[in-house]
Amino acid sequence: EVQLLESGGGLAQPGGSLRLSCAASGFTFGSYAMTWVRQAPGKGLEWVSTISGSGGSTYYADSVKGRFTISRDNSKNTLYLQVSSLRAEDTATYYCAKDWGSYGHYYFDCWGQGILVTVSS
Amino acid sequence: DIVLTQSPGTLSLSPGERATLSCRASQSVSSSYLAWYQQKPGQAPRLLIYGASNRATGIPDRFSGSGSGTDFTLTISRLEPEDFAVYYCQQYGSSPRTFGQGTKVEIK
Repeated sequence: EVQLLESGGGLAQPGGSLRLSCAASGFTFGSYAMTWVRQAPGKGLEWVSTISGSGGSTYYADSVKGRFTISRDNSKNTLYLQVSSLRAEDTATYYCAKDWGSYGHYYFDCWGQGILVTVSS
Repeated sequence: DIVLTQSPGTLSLSPGERATLSCRASQSVSSSYLAWYQQKPGQAPRLLIYGASNRATGIPDRFSGSGSGTDFTLTISRLEPEDFAVYYCQQYGSSPRTFGQGTKVEIK
């Protein structure tokens, strides 16, 4: 059974940093691209960042480019998101999700339970 | 970026009724790369439909997807109590991948 378990969220001050982790199990982690999606309280879903299976390619939403860094450690089956220069509008539940599809077109077939990041002074 | 507009914002129906949810794209979604997700309060989204009309593993056949180009529909043939939730469409044909704002299906 595929499982994704996020950790590392919490309260951060504006301008601060956190590192989110997503521990994966139940599949060959390094064979799949992985993604972070966030959801502000009471709002919809927003794609944040994607990393290829090897880690060699990364992609970011304009809203987080230059402030967030996605990475992965395939030996530990773990996905990361370093969130820095945090703003109030980054307050959200952050989900890790497994990409699935073909020919460069991927949807999200499995999601973690999410981790809350609150940015406030 | 492709903007997805879902309608209605809220759908009030009774168990056993048919639900029809719409997702309209600001430009054509290539090769029907359109997915639907269900999200219940306090839970993560769950994949229902991919490729506009293919049910994900374990999804009951009362859920069906249709459409192409810019207009897509999710239909729930007979609502069960566990189907009351928020539904999101998402396009994955163009970067960045984008989501609709969601349709809430609530008990009437």
